[in-house]
Amino acid sequence: AQSVTQLDSQVPVFEEAPVELRCNYSSSVSVYLFWYVQYPNQGLQLLLKYLSGSTLVESINGFEAEFNKSQTSFHLRKPSVHISDTAEYFCAVTLEGAQKLVFGQGTRLTINP
Amino acid sequence: GAGVSQTPSNKVTEKGKYVELRCDPISGHTALYWYRQSLGQGPEFLIYFQGTGAADDSGLPNDRFFAVRPEGSVSTLKIQRTERGDSAVYLCASSLGRGPYEQYFGPGTRLTVT
Repeated sequence: AQSVTQLDSQVPVFEEAPVELRCNYSSSVSVYLFWYVQYPNQGLQLLLKYLSGSTLVESINGFEAEFNKSQTSFHLRKPSVHISDTAEYFCAVTLEGAQKLVFGQGTRLTINP
Repeated sequence: GAGVSQTPSNKVTEKGKYVELRCDPISGHTALYWYRQSLGQGPEFLIYFQGTGAADDSGLPNDRFFAVRPEGSVSTLKIQRTERGDSAVYLCASSLGRGPYEQYFGPGTRLTVT
C-alpha cells in the first residue's frame, strides 16, 4: 500500500524567506501527486498537482513542486513567503487508476514578520 | 457556484449513541468521498461513491460505520454505537468523476463523543 511522509510537522520561517516543505511517498506503481493547503478556519484546497509530463508544477500563488521519481519525493517550495501563506500543507498521493487520496501528516507553515 | 456543504458543523454525542453526518456535493459531481481527520493528522480515507454505489469502502474502520448515497447526490455517513475514539473531523469531498480530478472538500463536521 502507498504511504506519504511529510518530514516536518512544523516549519517556522521569516517573511520573504524561501521555504521548502518535504514530502516523500512509497509506492511500487505509478502515482499522481498533490499538495493541498488548509488556511486557518477554512477547508482543504488544492494547491497544485502532478499527473504526468513536466516534473515541475506551479501554483498561481508562487509555489512550485518537483516530482522526483528516483527519490520518490514531491517537495513543495516557494522562493519568498508572505504572511498570507500561513497554513497547514498536506501532501497526498493516489495510485494511477484509483480514486482515494492518501495524505501525509501535514506541515504547519508559520510565517514570522 | 456553491461548494461542498456538510451538516452539522459540530456534533457532540454520548458514547454509545447513533449519529448521522450529511454531505451535499457540488452539483454535477458524480464522485463523492468521505475522509476522517484526527487531531494532528492528515485526512484518512473512509469510502468513495461513484454515483449511487460505494466503489471503494476499504477505509471504513469497522461495521459500526456505514454510508449511503441513494440518489447519487447527497450522502449520509452513519455511525452506530459511537466510541470516544470516533471523535474527529469528518470531511466530505466531491469530484467530477473517475480519474485524477480535483477533489473539492467541504468544511467538515467536528464530531465529539463524550
